[in-house]
Amino acid sequence: ETGVTQSPTHLIKTRGQQVTLRCSSQSGHNTVSWYQQALGQGPQFIFQYYREEENGRGNFPPRFSGLQFPNYSSELNVNALELDDSALYLCASSERQGGSTEAFFGQGTRLTVV
Amino acid sequence: AQKITQTQPGMFVQEKEAVTLDCTYDTSDPSYGLFWYKQPSSGEMIFLIYQGSYDQQNATEGRYSLNFQKARKSANLVISASQLGDSAMYFCAMRPYGQNFVFGPGTRLSVLP
Repeated sequence: ETGVTQSPTHLIKTRGQQVTLRCSSQSGHNTVSWYQQALGQGPQFIFQYYREEENGRGNFPPRFSGLQFPNYSSELNVNALELDDSALYLCASSERQGGSTEAFFGQGTRLTVV
Repeated sequence: AQKITQTQPGMFVQEKEAVTLDCTYDTSDPSYGLFWYKQPSSGEMIFLIYQGSYDQQNATEGRYSLNFQKARKSANLVISASQLGDSAMYFCAMRPYGQNFVFGPGTRLSVLP
């Protein structure tokens, strides 16, 4: 079991609403990245935060935004929800940027937009 | 652009047998890591094994081994002595240095009793 915790685990929102998802990173990890996983697909990169700064973003519109706090926990905010935003949202924390360390994932938040 | 290809949408294996899950990747970055994750129906991504692009030897972690062929850009996962609990989705992923993960579409493994 990893030290990465996501909340909530499930939620249902109505189209047009706003949602905030939370992720607490593993102790000692300063990098958090967020991924969207649609049903039956692999996760797609949304953005990454390193020491409270966004330092990479995937092909997602600006209504997907985020924050990283001094304790390295993070939030993902999605405005003006659309039906296609229904997915599993995963966050991953790692010790540092780079390709040579594994990332530990949280259990995910299942978002359903109706 | 980075890309991961997993050509096996689904695989079946008999309990106690070995199985190989295929993964090929494409990148122009010289430094990268290759990963395999297991995702049960609960949704959590469970780290299985890691291979660095400069590692000379293939990685092994218990029943998992990674068959790394750099020239062919392949990173196949071998699971020995399959167990019923191995039934899950398996994702191959690549992480070029300083960048995010790129995941493949996944392979669903079913272990038969």
